[in-house]
Amino acid sequence: QSVLTQPPSVSGAPGQRVTISCTGSWSNIGAGYDVHWYQQVPGTAPKLLIFGNTNRPSGVPDRFSASKSGTSASLAITGLQAEDEADYYCQSHDTSLGASLVFGGGTRLTVL
Amino acid sequence: QVTLKESGPAVVKPTQTLTLTCTFSGLPLNTDGVRVGWIRQPPGKALEWLARIDWDDEKFYNTSLKTRLTISKDTSKNQVVLTMRDMDPLDSGMYYCARIGGSGWFSYLDTCGQGTLVTVSS
Repeated sequence: QSVLTQPPSVSGAPGQRVTISCTGSWSNIGAGYDVHWYQQVPGTAPKLLIFGNTNRPSGVPDRFSASKSGTSASLAITGLQAEDEADYYCQSHDTSLGASLVFGGGTRLTVL
Repeated sequence: QVTLKESGPAVVKPTQTLTLTCTFSGLPLNTDGVRVGWIRQPPGKALEWLARIDWDDEKFYNTSLKTRLTISKDTSKNQVVLTMRDMDPLDSGMYYCARIGGSGWFSYLDTCGQGTLVTVSS
């Protein structure tokens, strides 16, 4: 049982827009901690996609964007491409878990 | 550019102790602000944070696994070592080390190593 809740799967056709939600509580996202997002292509290591709620590391296309509100956060991918097919994880902190990073359960994105 | 590479045994027996090494390249581990952590991922499951060690040797552990984990660093080799005692088949999975970005309670995995697969089996 993950601290942060994500839908197990989402899908979309090439060129479409998809969103992935990350739902937390008042002890994590709602407490003001940043939300970060990772992309994990099967068989590879997680790659930082978004940090500090909305910031893209160098090299991440602007097709990827994210937002945060209240106890939830959301990742949006526009202009869906076949190479976007991967697992996506949100991550934050929780006041009850000290310095631990807490993760969502992951969402598998399928490009139809 | 910082890179990380994990190494360790591919198979350990139940009740044994697992020792994993993360070789950190591109920056000395004792550089101000450098933090290195370990996460793991059972097959088909989500990421789980394990432990972190900072440039000043401060250490943090997953509260649920704290009694089984020890993290340390060897600055002469620029390596971070994680030991996990009393291994169980449920501990099988990929183990990644990562440079931790951000600060304090706004931290994240900046760069991950390629990971190392550990199987716990008799």
